Amino acid sequence: DSGVTQTPKHLITATGQRVTLRCSPRSGDLSVYWYQQSLDQGLQFLIQYYNGEERAKGNILERFSAQQFPDLHSELNLSSLELGDSALYFCASSGGSSLKQYFGPGTRLTVT
Amino acid sequence: GQQVMQIPQYQHVQEGEDFTTYCNSSTTLSNIQWYKQRPGGHPVFLIQLVKSGEVKKQKRLTFQFGEAKKNSSLHITATQTTDVGTYFCAVLNNYGQNFVFGPGTRLSVLP
Repeated sequence: DSGVTQTPKHLITATGQRVTLRCSPRSGDLSVYWYQQSLDQGLQFLIQYYNGEERAKGNILERFSAQQFPDLHSELNLSSLELGDSALYFCASSGGSSLKQYFGPGTRLTVT
Repeated sequence: GQQVMQIPQYQHVQEGEDFTTYCNSSTTLSNIQWYKQRPGGHPVFLIQLVKSGEVKKQKRLTFQFGEAKKNSSLHITATQTTDVGTYFCAVLNNYGQNFVFGPGTRLSVLP
């Protein structure tokens, strides 16, 4: 158990819909990262937040947005969903001077 | 953006054989991390290398950072079925803001 929690575990929705994925980092970790992993693919970095502020942006689509709240949990919002958005979405957290990332169990999104 | 290559993409070994995966970058790296993802699981941090020529060992796993800090390797001695999974390297992007993951090497171990 990494200490990072993600909900929901599974999500099935239709094209065109909007979903919100939630992540709670390890206690004390200020940084939250979001990654997308398509079937048998690598980890694509989407976005990073640090203590509520956006720190870095990767290949995140304009249809996707995220935020980190004062209690440090983060949400990833995916809208106008397409079939190609079906993937595993991981959240990771890190803290202090360590760049070591602790990954959550992921949310498996299926768009039908 | 930062480009990271990993070879091989897949490796099938007999239990007891050794295994090595390589991570290569076209640019000099400040550090490199290795993660393991078991089938159906999430990535788990293994190690971070920072110094040129650094070698670190974890039981049967040996990690090495190249002298030029452009490549790294992960070697597993006498593989076991518990070693099955995908091994990813991760490097800081050019701006030092976030980690870029390599495509991974998927290891299968036949009993």
